[in-house]
Amino acid sequence: EDKVVQSPLSLVVHEGDTVTLNCSYEVTNFRSLLWYKQEKKAPTFLFMLTSSGIEKKSGRLSSILDKKELFSILNITATQTGDSAVYLCAAKTSYDKVIFGPGTSLSVIP
Amino acid sequence: EAQVTQNPRYLITVTGKKLTVTCSQNMNHEYMSWYRQDPGLGLRQIYYSMNVEVTDKGDVPEGYKVSRKEKRNFPLILESPSPNQTSLYFCATHRGRVLVSNNEQFFGPGTRLTVL
Repeated sequence: EDKVVQSPLSLVVHEGDTVTLNCSYEVTNFRSLLWYKQEKKAPTFLFMLTSSGIEKKSGRLSSILDKKELFSILNITATQTGDSAVYLCAAKTSYDKVIFGPGTSLSVIP
Repeated sequence: EAQVTQNPRYLITVTGKKLTVTCSQNMNHEYMSWYRQDPGLGLRQIYYSMNVEVTDKGDVPEGYKVSRKEKRNFPLILESPSPNQTSLYFCATHRGRVLVSNNEQFFGPGTRLTVL
C-alpha cells in the first residue's frame, strides 16, 4: 500500500529558528515529490522535486529529495510568524495518483 | 486571473439526498482531481482525470462519482451521501503531466460538506 509519512507531526519554534521537516515515502511507480503550505484555507504549492540531490530554493525555504533513501526534507531558515501553517508532503506516481502525508503543523512564536 | 472555483462552499444536507459539488478552472489544465481532507487523515485523493472523458479512481473513491465532459469542469457527485462523507473537499488542477518541471497544482477554495 502506498504511503507517505511526515515527521514531526507538530512543531513549535521561536522566530528566527531554523526548522527541518521530514517526509518519507513508500510509493509504487514514484514520479515526483510535492510540498505544500496550508494555512486556514486551500494548500498552496511550494516545490516539486523529481531528481535526487538537486536543491530547490524559494527565499528562506529549500527542499531536497533523496530517491535512494526515499525521503525529502523541507528547510525553513530564519522562521517568521507568517510561516505558521501545516506543511504537506505528497508523492505523485507515474499514473498521476497523488498520496499525501498527514502534514506537519508548524507554529512560530514571537 | 488563474482560478479554480468550487460550489457550493458550504453545504449541510441529509443522508441519501443526491448532491453535486462543481469544480471549474479557467487555466485550460488537462489534469483535475478531487480530494477530501479529514482531521488526522490528511488529504486523500478521491478521483482524478487526466483529460476529457478520462477518469481514474484515487485512494477513496467509494460513494463518489465524477465526470469530465468538458476540460474546464470536473463535478463530484454523491448519489446517496452518508454521514461518513462529512468532510472538507478540495478540487485541484495542473497543466499536462507530472513530467513537466515545476508543474504547479492549484487548489480550489474548498467545500465544507456536512451530512446529517
